[in-house]
Amino acid sequence: AQSVTQLGSHVSVSEGALVLLRCNYSSSVPPYLFWYVQYPNQGLQLLLKYTTGATLVKGINGFEAEFKKSETSFHLTKPSAHMSDAAEYFCAVTFSGNTPLVFGKGTRLSVIA
Amino acid sequence: GAGVSQSPSNKVTEKGKDVELRCDPISGHTALYWYRQSLGQGLEFLIYFQGNSAPDKSGLPSDRFSAERTGGSVSTLTIQRTQQEDSAVYLCASSFLRPLDTRSYEQYFGPGTRLTVT
Repeated sequence: AQSVTQLGSHVSVSEGALVLLRCNYSSSVPPYLFWYVQYPNQGLQLLLKYTTGATLVKGINGFEAEFKKSETSFHLTKPSAHMSDAAEYFCAVTFSGNTPLVFGKGTRLSVIA
Repeated sequence: GAGVSQSPSNKVTEKGKDVELRCDPISGHTALYWYRQSLGQGLEFLIYFQGNSAPDKSGLPSDRFSAERTGGSVSTLTIQRTQQEDSAVYLCASSFLRPLDTRSYEQYFGPGTRLTVT
């Protein structure tokens, strides 16, 4: 069975500071990993994904994440937070194409001016 | 192009009534998923359709929940005899499957239907 743990239900950073949102997964087979962002009263938008190949993946809005198999992690980072980054972020895992995603509980990011 | 659309955006119903939620996937997407998002449970998978295969219903919480997908496109999620614990946001997503295309793994989500059972 697969599972995802997001450490910290709420993260607060100052504008311009580093954003680090943590995600650890459990999977018995090579995982496919995703980060989604959800703005208030909206659906989920794909930020980035890891399937195969390069372990450092870049996404939209300046976010990137690194797949570390040895640590079973897929942490999301952004060098400099912007006010518009305030949202809920979800890490998700699946093990093959077109199968249901297993989501973490989400991390709410607040950006302080 | 058009994204995934869902209707209604909000639904308020009385306990015991039946409700139908609709999802229009992205044209050409063969896979369609329903998820539920609630405060206590986070994002949960409900049901999944892939082409003409039998749907994967393993996430449905009870037999009051059912879904169908007509013509490989539009899907309807039906909840019978609604209960207050059914109150949640119901999200639909779709994706395509093309061998060797890594975008096959990308699920595109609709805006959701917020269901409130009073």
